Amino acid sequence: QQPVQSPQAVILREGEDAVINCSSSKALYSVHWYRQKHGEAPVFLMILLKGGEQKGHDKISASFNEKKQQSSLYLTASQLSYSGTYFCGTIPIGDNDMRFGAGTRLTVKP
Amino acid sequence: GAGVSQSPSNKVTEKGKDVELRCDPISGHTALYWYRQSLGQGLEFLIYFQGNSAPDKSGLPSDRFSAERTGGSVSTLTIQRTQQEDSAVYLCASTLVGSYGYTFGSGTRLTVV
Repeated sequence: QQPVQSPQAVILREGEDAVINCSSSKALYSVHWYRQKHGEAPVFLMILLKGGEQKGHDKISASFNEKKQQSSLYLTASQLSYSGTYFCGTIPIGDNDMRFGAGTRLTVKP
Repeated sequence: GAGVSQSPSNKVTEKGKDVELRCDPISGHTALYWYRQSLGQGLEFLIYFQGNSAPDKSGLPSDRFSAERTGGSVSTLTIQRTQQEDSAVYLCASTLVGSYGYTFGSGTRLTVV
C-alpha cells in the first residue's frame, strides 16, 4: 500500500534540475508532496487530485498521471534551500488515510 | 491554535514503562493522524481520526499502542510496556478532509533505554 519513490537520493549543484518519481499499485484519489528538513516536521508543498493535472509554484512543480498511478515532482534551477528529504503521500480511491513513500534525499551543493 | 502542537518534544523512558504523547491539532481541523518516523526512515502510518467516526487503527504495530481523541480535538497516543524498538519520532498531523494538505506538528522524540 506504500507508494514507491525513486531515486532514493540525488545530489545536485545549484541551478541544476531534478525529478523525483512516485508510483502506486492502487488507483489514487490524490497525491501529496512534502519536504522535510533535518530535525524538522514535513512541510506541505502541493496536492494533485484525481483527474490528472499539473501544478506548481516558483520552480517546483508536479504532475499526476492518473492512468499510470504515478506522480513526478520537478525541481528546476535548484537552490540551496531545496535541500531536504522529499516524500510523496498517496490516498487511494475510497480511502481516507495517506501512506508515504520512503523519501528521496535531495542535496544541493554550491 | 496557529499550528499543530505536540508534547512533550522529547521523552526518555525506561523499557517497560508506559508513555503518553499528546497532540493538539489546528482548531477546526476534523481529521487527525499519527505517524511514526524512525531515524532516517519514512513516515509510518499509525492511526487516523475523522470527526465522530470510528478511528482507522490499521497501522498500529501492536496492542501495546492505543490512541484516543477527546471531543474531536486533542489526541493522546499511549504506548504501554515500551520496548527499545519503539524509539522514534512520533508525528501528529491534522487537516480538513478533502483537497487539503496535512499540517504536521514538530513531533515527540521518544527514546526507550
